[in-house]
Amino acid sequence: AQSVTQPDIHITVSEGASLELRCNYSYGATPYLFWYVQSPGQGLQLLLKYFSGDTLVQGIKGFEAEFKRSQSSFNLRKPSVHWSDAAEYFCAVGAGNQGGKLIFGQGTELSVKP
Amino acid sequence: DSGVTQTPKHLITATGQRVTLRCSPRSGDLSVYWYQQSLDQGLQFLIQYYNGEERAKGNILERFSAQQFPDLHSELNLSSLELGDSALYFCASSPYAGVDTQYFGPGTRLTVL
Repeated sequence: AQSVTQPDIHITVSEGASLELRCNYSYGATPYLFWYVQSPGQGLQLLLKYFSGDTLVQGIKGFEAEFKRSQSSFNLRKPSVHWSDAAEYFCAVGAGNQGGKLIFGQGTELSVKP
Repeated sequence: DSGVTQTPKHLITATGQRVTLRCSPRSGDLSVYWYQQSLDQGLQFLIQYYNGEERAKGNILERFSAQQFPDLHSELNLSSLELGDSALYFCASSPYAGVDTQYFGPGTRLTVL
């Protein structure tokens, strides 16, 4: 069965510092991978996705992620964090053979220090 | 604004009761998904409908049911409510039946007292 692990429940970074949020997945075939962001009281917004092709994908708000098949990882990065990036971040995997079902990780809460 | 609407925003009810959550997908989207978000379970997929037909099912309780109507809006019915059903319920939509970007609504917060 597919699964997603986000090892870090909470991360605090200083404004302007770089950020990396970790995501590991378990899936036998090539996965469809997503990063979503949830601000307090809001729904989820897509940051970026990987289906195939270039393993380094660019997303909105200056985020990027790299798919590494050998490590079963899809880590999210941003070179310089802004205070408005404080939110909860979810990694998700789609199986491809179960409709559009997405399996989400437990989420990583990001705090930004001034 | 994702274009997905959910009503009501908040719902407070008692154990044993039945409630209906409503979702209108983005214009043109044929798939509707329901997810439950709680502190202990995280974000869990419940069910997907595509153009009126059930397309995929997660660990949805038997007390829960959903349907998608001809105008493509969807309802999630929760019955015999328990304290543990208190959660944020999200609806999402996408154009197709398979894996693709899902656009999430703002959610309905259900509190069972």
